[in-house]
Amino acid sequence: GAGVSQSPSNKVTEKGKDVELRCDPISGHTALYWYRQSLGQGLEFLIYFQGNSAPDKSGLPSDRFSAERTGGSVSTLTIQRTQQEDSAVYLCASTQISESYEQYFGPGTRLTVT
Amino acid sequence: KQEVTQIPAALSVPEGENLVLNCSFTDSAIYNLQWFRQDPGKGLTSLLLIQSSQREQTSGRLNASLDKSSGRSTLYIAASQPGDSATYLCAVSSGGSNYKLTFGKGTLLTVNP
Repeated sequence: GAGVSQSPSNKVTEKGKDVELRCDPISGHTALYWYRQSLGQGLEFLIYFQGNSAPDKSGLPSDRFSAERTGGSVSTLTIQRTQQEDSAVYLCASTQISESYEQYFGPGTRLTVT
Repeated sequence: KQEVTQIPAALSVPEGENLVLNCSFTDSAIYNLQWFRQDPGKGLTSLLLIQSSQREQTSGRLNASLDKSSGRSTLYIAASQPGDSATYLCAVSSGGSNYKLTFGKGTLLTVNP
């Protein structure tokens, strides 16, 4: 079946502009995560959505970052007033709530802020 | 705060060799542990998941073990092939309210033909 998809695959933006990154999780997966992979920090958790519950935003690095999930499916990560330190690969993962909680990752969006 | 360490950071071996990648974590109260593979410029591919109650999992030439009390996991790759060349990432979930994964920085494996 179809895996997690993300768009765009690459995004180059100028410092100060806003960007939106999109994630389509695996159909039927009720939980969705955003992670960020940067050279210095490795992979780090950003935000978690589960069903209709309030999202867990504890990993967001600043208030310039926000995310929403519409209809329990597609999610959008928005970064406002981008900075050079926001350059990274943004990865989305989804999981079906079950005993294993195994997470499945998308191919990522590579964001470059110039 | 959970911290995950992977040793070595890089490993180069000749084709056919058996090898072991190591992962350690500081908080033994984990829910599960996943091993992933990442090819350059690509996302993460899940290789094996071990629940906290399990000791090992096997898939083909891969075997992952878990010693929760000592905070360690190993990924054993048998009869390595050039196609195994990739970065291998270890990640643990502590469960709780979000089951988020905490990742190590990975081991870059190169298998030489």
